[in-house]
Amino acid sequence: EPEVTQTPSHQVTQMGQEVILRCVPISNHLYFYWYRQILGQKVEFLVSFYNNEISEKSEIFDDQFSVERPDGSNFTLKIRSTKLEDSAMYFCASSAAAPGLAGGGTQYFGPGTRLLVL
Amino acid sequence: AQRVTQPEKLLSVFKGAPVELKCNYSYSGSPELFWYVQYSRQRLQLLLRHISRESIKGFTADLNKGETSFHLKKPFAQEEDSAMYYCALSATKAAGNKLTFGGGTRVLVKP
Repeated sequence: EPEVTQTPSHQVTQMGQEVILRCVPISNHLYFYWYRQILGQKVEFLVSFYNNEISEKSEIFDDQFSVERPDGSNFTLKIRSTKLEDSAMYFCASSAAAPGLAGGGTQYFGPGTRLLVL
Repeated sequence: AQRVTQPEKLLSVFKGAPVELKCNYSYSGSPELFWYVQYSRQRLQLLLRHISRESIKGFTADLNKGETSFHLKKPFAQEEDSAMYYCALSATKAAGNKLTFGGGTRVLVKP
C-alpha cells in the first residue's frame, strides 16, 4: 500500500538556521498539507497546496515558512530562520483529488519529522 | 471558526470492557468528521469517517448534529486498541480542506 514518506525523521538545528523538511506524497494525490504538533499540544494545520500554489494557510504560517513542489514527487517545507518555538513534530499529508477516488478527501499522513531548535 | 474538543486526555479500561471516546465539535456549516488513530511509534492513520458509516476494528461513531458530537465507541476493548485517538473535522466533503484536530485521547487497555 502506498504511503507518504518524510525525511529526515529527526532534525536538530541552531536557532536562526534554515531547515528544509522533505515529503514524498502518495503518487496520484494532488493535495498536499503540512501540520505540526508541539509537544503536549494539538496537531495544528499549517498550509495546504494544490496545483503548485498555496490554497490555504494558517496564522502560524508566516513569512519565515515557505512550501515548494520542486519536482514531480517531493513537497518541501522550509523554515527560513528557526526559532525555539518551532520545535515540534511536523507532519506531511496528501489527499486525492475528488471523493470516490482513493478515499476522496481522506488525508494520509507521513510518519513525521521531529525538529528540535536549540 | 472550527473547533474540536476531546474532553478526556486519558481513558483506561480493562480488556473486554466497553470504551467510548467523546468528541464535540463547533462549526456553523456541514462538516465531515474523522477519527484518526496513532499506535505507538506509528503514523496517524484514518480509523473511520462519518460519511462511510462503516465499522473498523469493531469501532463505530455516529454523527449527532443536534449535540454536535461524534463519539467513538467499541463494545469490547482489546489490548491492541491501546493508542492515541484524535477526532478531526473538515469543513466540507471535498478534498483540499484543512483538518482541525482535537487534543487527542490516550486509550490504555489493561489485561
